[in-house]
Amino acid sequence: GAVVSQHPSWVICKSGTSVKIECRSLDFQATTMFWYRQFPKQSLMLMATSNEGSKATYEQGVEKDKFLINHASLTLSTLTVTSAHPEDSSFYICSARQPREGTSPTYEQYFGPGTRLTVT
Amino acid sequence: DAKTTQPPSMDCAEGRAANLPCNHSTISGNEYVYWYRQIHSQGPQYIIHGLKNNETNEMASLIITEDRKSSTLILPHATLRDTAVYYCIVRPTGGTSYGKLTFGQGTILTVHP
Repeated sequence: GAVVSQHPSWVICKSGTSVKIECRSLDFQATTMFWYRQFPKQSLMLMATSNEGSKATYEQGVEKDKFLINHASLTLSTLTVTSAHPEDSSFYICSARQPREGTSPTYEQYFGPGTRLTVT
Repeated sequence: DAKTTQPPSMDCAEGRAANLPCNHSTISGNEYVYWYRQIHSQGPQYIIHGLKNNETNEMASLIITEDRKSSTLILPHATLRDTAVYYCIVRPTGGTSYGKLTFGQGTILTVHP
């Protein structure tokens, strides 16, 4: 399958600072990427849908001014956690949609390895 | 979105087949059944998907009932490395939820030596 990378794999930051997480599709172009958050022993929760060249669409309850998403190219989406607080500590996972021509379904979705954020 | 129901946990002996059930009784005709798994502290890994017919790949087999209201993921010869959380997801192909994967709680599969 296609490869999606994330950087960094883990990060520790102080409360009040901002942290940027990168998500890259390595061998395909992704017009759409998704950002998930996962707390310990819980399932993945979709935060937002990132579309190349346009504003992200946030799920209900997710603060768009706190979680800034930029999808500036077909292979890169970034998530910036602004003014991070300890409650933002979580596992952040991105996924990228790979278009598939001549097949059904018409796309597949691949996940990155995740980024562990710890806010102290 | 069609919701799925999975048992919270299952055990399996190494080398034996692991059969993971999933109930999706409200699935609609054009929705696919997808299976992903997540090994601890990693991103989800795609396993297999199907629409109506049974499917098999190098990782697993997917059996979908004729009425499509349930499915079973089969790992034919489970290994210790198959210990993970397995998610059964119904993927919408249209509407406002197009493309979004909604994860339930999944099934924690533990493979024992």
